[in-house]
Amino acid sequence: GENVEQHPSTLSVQEGDSAVIKCTYSDSASNYFPWYKQELGKGPQLIIDIRSNVGEKKDQRIAVTLNKTAKHFSLHITETQPEDSAVYFCAVLTGTASKLTFGTGTRLQVTL
Amino acid sequence: NAGVTQTPKFQVLKTGQSMTLQCAQDMNHNSMYWYRQDPGMGLRLIYYSASEGTTDKGEVPNGYNVSRLNKREFSLRLESAAPSQTSVYFCASISKELTYEQYFGPGTRLTVT
Repeated sequence: GENVEQHPSTLSVQEGDSAVIKCTYSDSASNYFPWYKQELGKGPQLIIDIRSNVGEKKDQRIAVTLNKTAKHFSLHITETQPEDSAVYFCAVLTGTASKLTFGTGTRLQVTL
Repeated sequence: NAGVTQTPKFQVLKTGQSMTLQCAQDMNHNSMYWYRQDPGMGLRLIYYSASEGTTDKGEVPNGYNVSRLNKREFSLRLESAAPSQTSVYFCASISKELTYEQYFGPGTRLTVT
């Protein structure tokens, strides 16, 4: 089955700095790559996604890049703010039943 | 719309006890999923239901059963709880017709002693 690796597991940045989280996947047939944000005590929520026919997608301060050849994709957060502190999960769509395989998560802490 | 709702929010069980976690969505989604979340392991799929009347095993189905009661409701049952099932459980649903975005419930924190 699909194998998704996510790094780093924890990331601490100062407010205003950029944060980058990387994921690699194993199935070259995968074609949908979402990122979820999970705040304390809540369920994950989609923040951005990218499909395999696109190399980069941006939404205000967040962006996702995809390298299909190397089978990795990254989340970029610029001008980080305290409210960006959360756990972030990458995921990869696998199979025909819209199943997502998740990475192990990155705990991002934005310090003042 | 309430989105995806889960009950209960918290539960403590003794080893061997049984319980059912309830999940409902009001978005008319076809597919529903149950995940468990453990520290350092991300979200792992337990069971899913691609449509009303169908269910399939995910990555970690042992010790669990599910029922897709109707299009709205998808329940997860632990017949004989074990300490290894201590976890946070999330239900999710998806509308493939529009996007692959999965909508998650708030979770159930289960402790088995």
